[in-house]
Amino acid sequence: DAKTTQPNSMESNEEEPVHLPCNHSTISGTDYIHWYRQLPSQGPEYVIHGLTSNVNNRMASLAIAEDRKSSTLILHRATLRDAAVYYCFVVRGANNLFFGTGTRLTVIP
Amino acid sequence: GAGVSQSPRYKVAKRGQDVALRCDPISGHVSLFWYQQALGQGPEFLTYFQNEAQLDKSGLPSDRFFAERPEGSVSTLKIQRTQQEDSAVYLCASSLGRLRNTDTQYFGPGTRLTVL
Repeated sequence: DAKTTQPNSMESNEEEPVHLPCNHSTISGTDYIHWYRQLPSQGPEYVIHGLTSNVNNRMASLAIAEDRKSSTLILHRATLRDAAVYYCFVVRGANNLFFGTGTRLTVIP
Repeated sequence: GAGVSQSPRYKVAKRGQDVALRCDPISGHVSLFWYQQALGQGPEFLTYFQNEAQLDKSGLPSDRFFAERPEGSVSTLKIQRTQQEDSAVYLCASSLGRLRNTDTQYFGPGTRLTVL
């Protein structure tokens, strides 16, 4: 499976946008890019996924580079509830998700 | 609707004891996954079921770990002769389909196992 690289940690001020980067340089043509997040003391939860085009949902936006070797999760207005570890994956019909260490987002009031 | 539930939420075991952790997936979900999450780390894959069939158990760390899903719904992860290194949060997830790369996994809250 294609592996991903994310920064270990990021900080954001409350109510400001947050851009969480992910590199996936070995991605293949039909691999989907998924993002999950894990709030403290909870199981991971799905955030968003995409293939080629940028995607929006009620939680976030996903911007995918034209060559698909990187993507950015965008939280338009960070709230304290968005403080979590964010995981980026490349999914190839795989029967498991390789989490890695993700990016720990701290939101500053 | 109900999400994925796990029980117990917390389990303390003495070293050498056997434990059984239960997962109730979302009704109708075909795929079920178990993960182990050590403190401060990301979850690591243990095993995967498609209905009642255990199609991948490559992540189980030793033969002390055993999982089953006999009727294709509820699953149990059993750990025999627990060791201190087994202390972790055990996460269960389910998804609707069969390994489609657009499928979403829905996670339970996890069972925190502490082995003394």
